[in-house]
Amino acid sequence: KAGVTQTPRYLIKTRGQQVTLSCSPISGHRSVSWYQQTPGQGLQFLFEYFSETQRNKGNFPGRFSGRQFSNSRSEMNVSTLELGDSALYLCASSLGSGADTEAFFGQGTRLTVV
Amino acid sequence: AQSVTQPDIHITVSEGASLELRCNYSYGATPYLFWYVQSPGQGLQLLLKYFSGDTLVQGIKGFEAEFKRSQSSFNLRKPSVHWSDAAEYFCAVGAVNRDDKIIFGKGTRLHILP
Repeated sequence: KAGVTQTPRYLIKTRGQQVTLSCSPISGHRSVSWYQQTPGQGLQFLFEYFSETQRNKGNFPGRFSGRQFSNSRSEMNVSTLELGDSALYLCASSLGSGADTEAFFGQGTRLTVV
Repeated sequence: AQSVTQPDIHITVSEGASLELRCNYSYGATPYLFWYVQSPGQGLQLLLKYFSGDTLVQGIKGFEAEFKRSQSSFNLRKPSVHWSDAAEYFCAVGAVNRDDKIIFGKGTRLHILP
C-alpha cells in the first residue's frame, strides 16, 4: 500500500510570506503528526491530529497551525515566515493516537526561507 | 518532563565492526522506547520498539536494543555493520499515557569506513 505522501518535496519562500504543506497518510490511518527537523534542534513535535481534532501541540508560536480533513489528509500552515523556519517538515501517520502505535513517516518537505 | 539524550553526535566505525549507539532517557513512569533510522533525503523508519516484557528487543536490519531500567538506557547494537547502515539514528521515548507525544533525541550520525 502507498506510504505517507508529503507535497511539495521542496519549497522556497520569502520572509513574510505564508506556506501550506500537505500530508496524505497511509490509507486507514487516522492520526497525523507533524515535526520540524533542523540541524541544531533535531526533531521537534509540532502537533498531532486524530479524527480531525488536534490532540496535542508542541511549543511553537501561533504562526504554525494545522488541520485535518475528514479523509485524514492534513495540512500545516506557517504564516509570516521567518528565516529560522527553514527546515525539513516531516509528517507521520499512524492507525491510532498514542505512543504505542507505530508511526510511519513521509519523506518530508524541505522549506527554505530566503 | 520527558527527555532523550543521545551523547554521541557522530560515530565512525569500520565496515564489519560492531556498533553500539547510546540513548539515555528521563521519564517519570514506564516509557515506550523507539529507535528510528533516517537515510539522507528520507523520512524516518522504525527499527525497533520496546513497550514491555523482554528487555532485549530485536528489530529490522539486524539491529537490537536493550532496555536497562536501572541505567535509564536503551542502547542500539549491531554485531557487524554494513556500508548501507550509514545514516542518522534517532532514539525516542513515548509515554504510556496515550495523551503524551513522542520525544526524539537529537540523533547520532553513523559513518562507515570501508
